[in-house]
Amino acid sequence: AQSVTQPDIHITVSEGASLELRCNYSYGATPYLFWYVQSPGQGLQLLLKYFSGDTLVQGIKGFEAEFKRSQSSFNLRKPSVHWSDAAEYFCAVARGDSSYKLIFGSGTRLLVRP
Amino acid sequence: EAGVAQSPRYKIIEKRQSVAFWCNPISGHATLYWYQQILGQGPKLLIQFQNNGVVDDSQLPKDRFSAERLKGVDSTLKIQPAKLEDSAVYLCASSYRDQEFFGPGTRLTVL
Repeated sequence: AQSVTQPDIHITVSEGASLELRCNYSYGATPYLFWYVQSPGQGLQLLLKYFSGDTLVQGIKGFEAEFKRSQSSFNLRKPSVHWSDAAEYFCAVARGDSSYKLIFGSGTRLLVRP
Repeated sequence: EAGVAQSPRYKIIEKRQSVAFWCNPISGHATLYWYQQILGQGPKLLIQFQNNGVVDDSQLPKDRFSAERLKGVDSTLKIQPAKLEDSAVYLCASSYRDQEFFGPGTRLTVL
């Protein structure tokens, strides 16, 4: 069965510092991988996705993620965090077939120190 | 382009009462999803529609939850009777070309 693990429940970084949020997945084949952000009272917004090809994926708001098949990981990174990045971040995996549906991790809450 | 619309945004009910949520997906999106997001957890898929047919409802508690999508557009999710553990945010999403777009959700509190 597919699963997604986000080992960090909370992460606190200082504004301007770099960020890396961890995501590990379990799936028999190469899955579709996603990162979403959820701000308080808002719906989930897609940051980036990986389907195939270049393993370094660029997303919106200056985020990027790297797919590492050998480590079953899809970590999210940002070189310099802004206070507005404080939110909950979810990694998700989907099967790449006709039954496409998302399975989410439990999320990582990002706090940004001024 | 208008996003996924959901109503109501908030609902408070007592256990054993019934409640219904409404979702209007993005125009032209054939696939519609309902997710349940319990506090501190990621969203969990309840049901997936393709047009007005059910693709997957394996995680829908069918003894109390029901959903329909008439005419392949709007959808309603109903809970009857509600339990305390149903307190959660219910998210609706629609998809196009392997990307899902989420609505703002309905926060349900069961007392």
